[in-house]
Amino acid sequence: GENVEQHPSTLSVQEGDSAVIKCTYSDSASNYFPWYKQELGKRPQLIIDIRSNVGEKKDQRIAVTLNKTAKHFSLHITETQPEDSAVYFCVSYSFNKFYFGSGTKLNVKP
Amino acid sequence: GAGVSQSPSNKVTEKGKDVELRCDPISGHTALYWYRQSLGQGLEFLIYFQGNSAPDKSGLPSDRFSAERTGGSVSTLTIQRTQQEDSAVYLCASSAPTGANYHNEQFFGPGTRLTVL
Repeated sequence: GENVEQHPSTLSVQEGDSAVIKCTYSDSASNYFPWYKQELGKRPQLIIDIRSNVGEKKDQRIAVTLNKTAKHFSLHITETQPEDSAVYFCVSYSFNKFYFGSGTKLNVKP
Repeated sequence: GAGVSQSPSNKVTEKGKDVELRCDPISGHTALYWYRQSLGQGLEFLIYFQGNSAPDKSGLPSDRFSAERTGGSVSTLTIQRTQQEDSAVYLCASSAPTGANYHNEQFFGPGTRLTVL
């Protein structure tokens, strides 16, 4: 089955700096890669997603890159703000199942 | 409009009892997903429904777990003979397929916190 690894597990940045979270996957058949943000005590929310026919996608301060050859994808947040503080999960989808990374706790210091 | 709702919000049960968790998806969302999240952990995918059918049930942790969906709307997740390791938050989500993409943004419910004593 698929194996998704996510790094780092915790990330602390200063407000205004950029944050990068990286994930690797093992199944070359994986074709959909969403990222979810989960604030403490709240439900996960989609922040961006990318499909295997695209290498990069951007939405304002958030971007995701996908390298199918290397089987890794990354989340980039620019100009971080305190409200970006949360746990971020990368996800891959393959053969009717979703596989979540272990999560990255992002702390943006004001 | 109304989001995904789940009931009960909290459930405390004794080991060995059966429990039934309910999910009401967003109206019109044909895809429905079940996950569980243990304290401080990531999400574990359990199963998803295309309409009333589940293409793959192998994500369910054991044969004590079953799920069904009727009328393309409400879904129930049943856990028989509960064990302490079943304690977790069970999350349901729904999404609306578009064009060639069946899986799109998933909207999550508030979850059911299950505690097995």
